[in-house]
Amino acid sequence: NAGVTQTPKFRVLKTGQSMTLLCAQDMNHEYMYWYRQDPGMGLRLIHYSVGEGTTAKGEVPDGYNVSRLKKQNFLLGLESAAPSQTSVYFCASSRAEASRETTQYFGPGTRLLVL
Amino acid sequence: EDKVVQSPLSLVVHEGDTVTLNCSYEVTNFRSLLWYKQEKKAPTFLFMLTSSGIEKKSGRLSSILDKKELSSILNITATQTGDSAIYLCAVVPNSGYSTLTFGKGTMLLVSP
Repeated sequence: NAGVTQTPKFRVLKTGQSMTLLCAQDMNHEYMYWYRQDPGMGLRLIHYSVGEGTTAKGEVPDGYNVSRLKKQNFLLGLESAAPSQTSVYFCASSRAEASRETTQYFGPGTRLLVL
Repeated sequence: EDKVVQSPLSLVVHEGDTVTLNCSYEVTNFRSLLWYKQEKKAPTFLFMLTSSGIEKKSGRLSSILDKKELSSILNITATQTGDSAIYLCAVVPNSGYSTLTFGKGTMLLVSP
């Protein structure tokens, strides 16, 4: 049981390049999330998904797209990377709203540097 | 818009000291408040506090939710160097899909 995994761990991009970050979870969780973490800013929600085939915008969605083609995978895409997207990206997953006791489990993060 | 404010932003203590971290929040229809510990990588879950569970304890760590003051504290007694981390507070509204609003975190450094 690997929990939540992210690929790649680190990436350097040039401005304008595109890339996809992959998140996978093996806990059969319905909900998945993408956050970015910047110094002094805490964690901010980019996009999230409440089930296969569904996605929704979070707090800072601009410049990103997501897809949830399979329940266990949540992809985050950058179509044209900008230096402002330099950050650490975390994926998380959680059970569906079956009860009030629901917490999110986080992946190890992807460090992205856009030059 | 939901809001979470943590204080202090950073803190340095000596091993063995007791520390208290603060979290205040503004959220529409509060559901729960979570504390996470973040060392080098992913945040790891510590506690969840809800209207039905306003106090939690695990070893040297404990947390209390004050629903009247819209705040929570995280206490760590007999601190150890392994407690050095960023402590994150997040709230979950009673609507939507468990989307968390995080504070900026408190960076705790425990010196030997």
